[in-house]
Amino acid sequence: AQSVTQLDSQVPVFEEAPVELRCNYSSSVSVYLFWYVQYPNQGLQLLLKYLSGSTLVKGINGFEAEFNKSQTSFHLRKPSVHISDTAEYFCAVSFYSGGYQKVTFGIGTKLQVIP
Amino acid sequence: KAGVTQTPRYLIKTRGQQVTLSCSPISGHRSVSWYQQTPGQGLQFLFEYFSETQRNKGNFPGRFSGRQFSNSRSEMNVSTLELGDSALYLCASSLKGLGNTEAFFGQGTRLTVV
Repeated sequence: AQSVTQLDSQVPVFEEAPVELRCNYSSSVSVYLFWYVQYPNQGLQLLLKYLSGSTLVKGINGFEAEFNKSQTSFHLRKPSVHISDTAEYFCAVSFYSGGYQKVTFGIGTKLQVIP
Repeated sequence: KAGVTQTPRYLIKTRGQQVTLSCSPISGHRSVSWYQQTPGQGLQFLFEYFSETQRNKGNFPGRFSGRQFSNSRSEMNVSTLELGDSALYLCASSLKGLGNTEAFFGQGTRLTVV
């Protein structure tokens, strides 16, 4: 069965410092990978996705992620965070089953940017 | 273009009652998925509808049901509410499904069961 693990439930970081949010997945078939962000009292918004091609994926708001197949990871990074990046971040894995793609989300990582 | 609209935004119900939540997807999107979000549990998949057919279902009891209309609008119904049903219910709209195309989420309906 496919699963997603976000190892850190909360990550505090000072403003303008770099951050990495970790995501590992388990799958016996090839997958697509996503990162979504949820701001307070909002729905989720797509940050970036990996479907194929270059393993380094750039997304919105200066975020990027690298797909590492051997380590089954898809960590999210930003070189310098802003207060406005305070939000909850969800990693998701998509896999083909029963004729279409299915999606499993991680439990989320709360990023708290400290002024 | 208009985003995903979920109504109502907030609901307070008592145990044993039933509730219906509504989701209007982005125009042209045929896939609507529903998720339950609770602290510490993340997003739990409820079901997905595509062109009026339920094509995937999560591990929720039969009290949770849904449907999709010909205009792609979807409703979710929860009968015999329990305190544990208190959560944020999110709807996601996409062209073909969340798995390979971008999904657009509504702001959610926050359900409180007292």
